[in-house]
Amino acid sequence: KAGVTQTPRYLIKTRGQQVTLSCSPISGHRSVSWYQQTPGQGLQFLFEYFSETQRNKGNFPGRFSGRQFSNSRSEMNVSTLELGDSALYLCASSLEPGVAGELFFGEGSRLTVL
Amino acid sequence: GQSLEQPSEVTAVEGAIVQINCTYQTSGFYGLSWYQQHDGGAPTFLSYNALDGLEETGRFSSFLSRSDSYGYLLLQELQMKDSASYFCAVRGGATNKLIFGTGTLLAVQP
Repeated sequence: KAGVTQTPRYLIKTRGQQVTLSCSPISGHRSVSWYQQTPGQGLQFLFEYFSETQRNKGNFPGRFSGRQFSNSRSEMNVSTLELGDSALYLCASSLEPGVAGELFFGEGSRLTVL
Repeated sequence: GQSLEQPSEVTAVEGAIVQINCTYQTSGFYGLSWYQQHDGGAPTFLSYNALDGLEETGRFSSFLSRSDSYGYLLLQELQMKDSASYFCAVRGGATNKLIFGTGTLLAVQP
C-alpha cells in the first residue's frame, strides 16, 4: 500500500511568487492535514480537510490556502511568498478527521524562498 | 488555545533508558500522541494515550496523567537508531485540532 505522496519534494522560489504543493493520501484515507515545519518551531498546523471541506484552519495569514478534491488529493497554495515561508511543508492523512491517534505523514515538500 | 512544552534536547547512552516529558494546555482534551522524526524524514506515529496510565509498545512506552496535563515517552534499551526528534501532540480545543510540541532532539551516544 503506497504511503502519502507529496510533490514536489524540493523547490526554490523568489519573494513575491506563489507556489502550489500537492499531497496524495493513502488509498482510502479521506482526511488530509497540512503542517509547516521550521527549525525550533516544531510542526505548525495549517489546515485539515475532509470530503472537500476545510474543517480546521491554523493561525496563518490568508496567503496560505488549500483545497481537497473528490479523490481526497489535496493541494495547498502560498501566494506572495516571503522569506519566512521557507520551510518543510508536511501533509498527513488519516481515515477520518479528528482521529484520536495515528496520522500518516509524507516526506514533505521543502520550500526555499530567496 | 492549545500549547505543549517538552525539553528541546536530551542525551543518553546506548542501552540506557530515557524519559521525554510533555506538559500541555488545552481547553478540551481527546488524547496525547507521540511521533518520531529522523533528520530529513517524515514523522512516524509511535503511540497514543486517551486515558490515564501506561501504554507499552515494545521498547517504547507512553504515559498520561490527565489531571496533571502531563505525559511522557519512555524509551528503553536505547539504540543508536533512536537518535531522532520526538514530538508530543495533543488533540483538543474547541475545534479538535491536532497540535504538536516543538520537539525533543534525542542524541544517543555509544
